[in-house]
Amino acid sequence: SAVISQKPSRDICQRGTSLTIQCQVDSQVTMMFWYRQQPGQSLTLIATANQGSEATYESGFVIDKFPISRPNLTFSTLTVSNMSPEDSSIYLCSVAVPGAGRTYGYTFGSGTRLTVV
Amino acid sequence: DAKTTQPNSMESNEEEPVHLPCNHSTISGTDYIHWYRQLPSQGPEYVIHGLTSNVNNRMASLAIAEDRKSSTLILHRATLRDAAVYYCILSTIQGAQKLVFGQGTRLTINP
Repeated sequence: SAVISQKPSRDICQRGTSLTIQCQVDSQVTMMFWYRQQPGQSLTLIATANQGSEATYESGFVIDKFPISRPNLTFSTLTVSNMSPEDSSIYLCSVAVPGAGRTYGYTFGSGTRLTVV
Repeated sequence: DAKTTQPNSMESNEEEPVHLPCNHSTISGTDYIHWYRQLPSQGPEYVIHGLTSNVNNRMASLAIAEDRKSSTLILHRATLRDAAVYYCILSTIQGAQKLVFGQGTRLTINP
């Protein structure tokens, strides 16, 4: 399975500013995913990031608010732009790697805990 | 995305078996059943997955109903470290797909 390093692990930011979260994988992966987990809630998929193409955003998430870069097969960034207190959440990246048979295994980073004040 | 239904919470005692149910009545023939768990302050981690037959690994067992409309994750001897939120997720066999998380089951283990 892949190992993910996600930075920063936590941050406290002023409203109106932006934060860029980095996700580094120890192997080349085709598909990377970004999730948001609001306090006490389950994970919600923000977007799928494939290398060499624009990210695909889920309903309710837009590129202007959550721009994503995917410059190569081991790295991605998610930016949370023009932050408000409602953006306070844990943000996680995930990758899919081929597993046994025709399945894929999914590995998750440990998350970035963002607090907007 | 095919939907799964799980109880919001369950409670068990340490060193006893735990059976976590999941209903997925709209599962298609190409859907794998995945189980992930999220320990406190961590990202989700893989537990087990299966297609049609029951599966065992060092962490747990997965029992899949004959009609595949439900499954049960079995922890044979729960420890305090197994306290987590357990997610049952369907993912199609057709290539890497996004995982869509439901609310999961919050498992509490009593000492």
